[in-house]
Amino acid sequence: TQLLEQSPQFLSIQEGENLTVYCNSSSVFSSLQWYRQEPGEGPVLLVTVVTGGEVKKLKRLTFQFGDARKDSSLHITAAQTGDTGLYLCAGAPGSARQLTFGSGTQLTVLP
Amino acid sequence: DTAVSQTPKYLVTQMGNDKSIKCEQNLGHDTMYWYKQDSKKFLKIMFSYNNKELIINETVPNRFSPKSPDKAHLNLHINSLELGDSAVYFCASSTDRGLVYGYTFGSGTRLTVV
Repeated sequence: TQLLEQSPQFLSIQEGENLTVYCNSSSVFSSLQWYRQEPGEGPVLLVTVVTGGEVKKLKRLTFQFGDARKDSSLHITAAQTGDTGLYLCAGAPGSARQLTFGSGTQLTVLP
Repeated sequence: DTAVSQTPKYLVTQMGNDKSIKCEQNLGHDTMYWYKQDSKKFLKIMFSYNNKELIINETVPNRFSPKSPDKAHLNLHINSLELGDSAVYFCASSTDRGLVYGYTFGSGTRLTVV
């Protein structure tokens, strides 16, 4: 059973377009994190959200944590080719610090 | 550079062999982890370990064992390697404190069992 479902699984867009990636679960998380992974490297942390309804911005990336702390979204404005990568959400249920990762969204931004 | 470093980057070995992957972090983190990433890029927790507690994912075969000589190191030893063990293995670390935390990952070890 997948605890965290991401959609879409694959996304290919043109440079300059906007996109949103979703991370959904039936479980409540004390914190939710987003990572980006490039080929041959480990995931790199982008953001951690901990409060229901929280919105965080990182340049052209906007992250939102659902009010019930069960879901999250990542919105990228005016995508660039450098945004290409595997985007992973990860959550820590309850007080545990072991992260459960989502199924991933492979984003390709075409020039 | 502060980082999580793991060696080797690539490991090709025959079925039945025993191998180890080393991991070191100089971030002063309290907890270290091993994750397995399969061919579909799904990351699955194998172990988490700090100086107080080892948590083992119940689905991990007992051929896999973590070994921690000190707080900065968590090595992964694998006995009697099988074809299905082929994957990319990631070491990670994190602090024990606060809700706003994240993992720092190593760059991975691609294990191929032939």
